[in-house]
Formats: sequence, structure tokens, C-alpha cells
Amino acid sequence: AQKVTQAQTEISVVEKEDVTLDCVYETRDTTYYLFWYKQPPSGELVFLIRRNSFDEQNEISGRYSWNFQKSTSSFNFTITASQVVDSAVYFCALSHNAGNMLTFGGGTRLMVKP
Amino acid sequence: EAGVAQSPRYKIIEKRQSVAFWCNPISGHATLYWYQQILGQGPKLLIQFQNNGVVDDSQLPKDRFSAERLKGVDSTLKIQPAKLEDSAVYLCASSLLRTRQETQYFGPGTRLLVL
Repeated sequence: AQKVTQAQTEISVVEKEDVTLDCVYETRDTTYYLFWYKQPPSGELVFLIRRNSFDEQNEISGRYSWNFQKSTSSFNFTITASQVVDSAVYFCALSHNAGNMLTFGGGTRLMVKP
Repeated sequence: EAGVAQSPRYKIIEKRQSVAFWCNPISGHATLYWYQQILGQGPKLLIQFQNNGVVDDSQLPKDRFSAERLKGVDSTLKIQPAKLEDSAVYLCASSLLRTRQETQYFGPGTRLLVL
């Protein structure tokens, strides 16, 4: 069975702090894709990143970085120097079969206080 | 490029009434998805279309939910009759293809409250 776990339900930080959101997944597939989405209060899910199971290189995009470790089945997301606009719910998701079925984690609510 | 459009944005109905949601995917996207997101949870896939055909509806409560995508573009999701537990956000997403590496792009959702 496919499963995505985001153990942190809520995180609160003060602006400019770094914060890491954890994501652990389970799958029997050898080929799969991992995604992170941001859901601001407006409700729309905004795509942040896609990573395939064969590419374990870390990725950095501005203040965002992602650490994929196949050995621990984790795909963690770090925001450096957090800002109030980063406040949102963040979802990790797994695309685990040829039909592009997404399994989402429960989400982590990030609150960045000024 | 226009994103995924959904309407209405909000809907309040009483239990046992019926309701319909509309979705217009990104132009050219062959695959369309409907998700249900209950408050405090991640989205759960209800149904997936490839053009105008249903690919997977294993999680759709077919006794009360139905969906169609007649011309392979717009889609409608209907609930009849609604129950209290159907209160949720209904998200529509689309992707260019159905393969697992394709990114799904989401609309703003329809927030349904069943009283």
C-alpha cells in the first residue's frame, strides 16, 4: 500500500527562522515521483516541486530546498529565512503508479509570525 | 496560460439536497481529477478521467456521487443526495498526460457545507 506521512501537523516559527517540514513515504514501486504542494488560505494547491525516485540530488530554489533520501524514504522540505507569506499548509504527495494517482500526506500547517 | 477554473467557490445546502460542481481544466490537458479534501486532511482522489473516459473511480461513493466529462474538456461532479459528511472542499486538477511524472495543477476548489 502507498502511504505518505507528515508527522508534524503544525509548526510555528518567527520570521527569518529556518524551518524543515518532514515527509516519509511508503511504496513498493521502484519508479515513483514525489511532490510538494503549498495550500495558502485561499485554498488552491500550488505546485512547488517534483522529484523522481532515481534522482537523489538535493534541489534548491531560492529560499526553498529539498532533501530526498531514498534510504530513509524521506523527502524533506526546508525554508530558509522564513517569511510571513510562507504561512500555509504544505502537502507532500506520492505518484506511485503508471496512472498518476496521487497519495497525499495529512499536511503540515506552517505559521510564520512577524 | 489560464489555470484550472472551478465554480461555484462556495455552496451551502441542506442534507438530502443535490449539488453540482463544475471544472474547466487547463487547455490541452487530457487528464482531469476530482479530489475531496475534508478539513484538516490531505486531498483524496475521487475520480480520474482521461479525455472523456473514466480511468479510475474506485474511491467514488457511487450511490450518491457521479461525474462526467462528456466532451473531454469540462467536467461536472454531482452529489445526490448530500449527507453531512460530504462537507469538504472539492478540488479539480488537470495534467497534460496520465503518466506518473506529470504534475497535476489544481483549481481553487469548491467549499461545500451540508447542514
